[in-house]
Amino acid sequence: NAGVMQNPRHLVRRRGQEARLRCSPVKGHSHVYWYRQLPEEGLKFMVYLQKENIIDESGMPKERFSAEFPKEGPSILRIQQVVRGDSAAYFCASSPRVSETQYFGPGTRLLVL
Amino acid sequence: GENVGLHLPTLSVQEGDNSIINCAYSNSASDYFIWYKQESGKGPQFIIDIRSNMDKRQGQRVTVLLNKTVKHLSLQIAATQPGDSAVYFCAEKPSGANSKLTFGKGITLSVRP
Repeated sequence: NAGVMQNPRHLVRRRGQEARLRCSPVKGHSHVYWYRQLPEEGLKFMVYLQKENIIDESGMPKERFSAEFPKEGPSILRIQQVVRGDSAAYFCASSPRVSETQYFGPGTRLLVL
Repeated sequence: GENVGLHLPTLSVQEGDNSIINCAYSNSASDYFIWYKQESGKGPQFIIDIRSNMDKRQGQRVTVLLNKTVKHLSLQIAATQPGDSAVYFCAEKPSGANSKLTFGKGITLSVRP
């Protein structure tokens, strides 16, 4: 019973490049959430998606960040023109229904040089 | 300028003793609460949850207590083991369709052998 999968686990980018983070939810889960974690801090909500729809993006920066969860394939968090302040761990979680427990993946650790 | 890191509070307990980790939540509209455990380099791992119509819930070696009057949540771990060493986060979710989890700052549990 595979849990939430994220790849890559580690990603290094130079300033100005693009970062693409992928998340495959637990099989059968149609709700996906992205969170960001800075060192020694709690997780901060970014965006909540349900298949092909963005439900809540109140935690997403207004520029350079976007997310999608297509009908087929993983959810993608895309960061364009990365800056050093984007360096963080990005976690994806999924749940079968909106009110159910969210299960987290192992995260992608992004380092911007 | 100098970049000073924010250190998480630490709870140090002797192996075999009971641990109590406390959390104050902020939103009186929250009706669902979860405790997560995060080991170094990994994603948050679900431990136990509780809904606002309950004040206590027990799992294997863990108990969560909820005091809605003072907006306080606690996690009790019985017979603490070295494998319990991790950062512990409480998270809250408001009622309704908004599925966004709000995380607390986290507490580091250190188990002395």
